[in-house]
Amino acid sequence: EVQLVESGGGLVRPGGSLRLSCAASGFTFSSHSMNWVRQAPGKGLEWVSSISSSSSFIYYADSVKGRFTISRDDAENALYLQIYRLRVEDTAVYYCARADTSVNSAFDVWGQGTMVTVSS
Amino acid sequence: SYVLTQPPSVSVAPGKTARISCGGNNIGRKSVHWYQQKPGQAPVMVIHYNSDRPSVISERFSGSKSGNTATLTISRVEAGDEADYYCQVWDSVSDHWVFGGGTKLTVL
Repeated sequence: EVQLVESGGGLVRPGGSLRLSCAASGFTFSSHSMNWVRQAPGKGLEWVSSISSSSSFIYYADSVKGRFTISRDDAENALYLQIYRLRVEDTAVYYCARADTSVNSAFDVWGQGTMVTVSS
Repeated sequence: SYVLTQPPSVSVAPGKTARISCGGNNIGRKSVHWYQQKPGQAPVMVIHYNSDRPSVISERFSGSKSGNTATLTISRVEAGDEADYYCQVWDSVSDHWVFGGGTKLTVL
């Protein structure tokens, strides 16, 4: 079964850091581009970052560039999102999603998400 | 930055056809993907590449484009189709993914 499972969310104070993880199984992880998408409470979907296979191409939304770092470990079938200098407005459910082929392909598999709450 | 515009809400009676629009400049040149999200659940891709439907998605779901608007059509609407729907495109100018604001489909 193709599956993505996020972890690492929690309650963090403004200015803090967090690393989110996404464990992939049931498919050849190294062949797919991967993505992070977030959703603030009661709001719509917001794309955060994408990484191509082999990490050749990496893209960030303007709202997170310079504070978020996406990475992947193909040996461990894992995707990561390192978040620095957290802000209240970063509060959201963070989803990892698989691109069906290349970095500009549709997101055909999604995880269930991990909640990040930034509050003092 | 590129913007996709969706109506905040669409209401339809059971058995009727729902149409959800997604407007964007030169959207005809882009591949449009559609996602369904039910409350408390992760999004699910229902249409990719404008009109292709994954095999696990009901044939009642279809996608099309005309001019500067893409449309998700749901035929013979059922209560279980009640959800938020999002369109998405890749903006090659900014190398950013863009989601529409989402449309809440209510089945009357």
